[in-house]
Amino acid sequence: NAGVTQTPKFQVLKTGQSMTLQCAQDMNHNSMYWYRQDPGMGLRLIYYSASEGTTDKGEVPNGYNVSRLNKREFSLRLESAAPSQTSVYFCASSESRQITVGNTIYFGEGSWLTVV
Amino acid sequence: AQKVTQAQTEISVVEKEDVTLDCVYETRDTTYYLFWYKQPPSGELVFLIRRNSFDEQNEISGRYSWNFQKSTSSFNFTITASQVVDSAVYFCALSERGNTPLVFGKGTRLSVIA
Repeated sequence: NAGVTQTPKFQVLKTGQSMTLQCAQDMNHNSMYWYRQDPGMGLRLIYYSASEGTTDKGEVPNGYNVSRLNKREFSLRLESAAPSQTSVYFCASSESRQITVGNTIYFGEGSWLTVV
Repeated sequence: AQKVTQAQTEISVVEKEDVTLDCVYETRDTTYYLFWYKQPPSGELVFLIRRNSFDEQNEISGRYSWNFQKSTSSFNFTITASQVVDSAVYFCALSERGNTPLVFGKGTRLSVIA
């Protein structure tokens, strides 16, 4: 049971380079999310997709773009990487945007990105 | 606006001690969900518990217990008889009305020393 799969797990970029983080879930979830984790800051929401075909900005969207390619996949793109984007990125998914007793959010294993 | 505060940045205990991790939240909604996640040194986020605002009953799961008190807007997490494997960063999180993305606290790093 793969759950939420993120690639790549580790990446080093030079300032100004672009890259895409890929995320796929096999739980038939409708909602997907991208968070970044920085030391002492907890996890902060970058973008989310409540359902296929929709995306919304989170707390820290600047410098990022997202694509909800289909129900399974939600990618995060850095068009021109900056050192401030050095972080650990987590993709997550949930059955729906509506949290209920039977619905929670599951996270991928994280992607470690360093921008030099 | 929703906010989660975990005032304890780091805690260090000796194995077998009990430890409580504090979580204080802010929300204007009467319906909300609270969560705890564990992040071990390997880095993944492990779901521990979800609690909705209408259920103030405390919960126990093995050595883990959670104390939800709406009067103080707190959702504290206690580990009884801590073990080295409990060493991790623990995050408290909140979803307003259950339909907003999770907002996380900054986390508490727990170190359990043998």
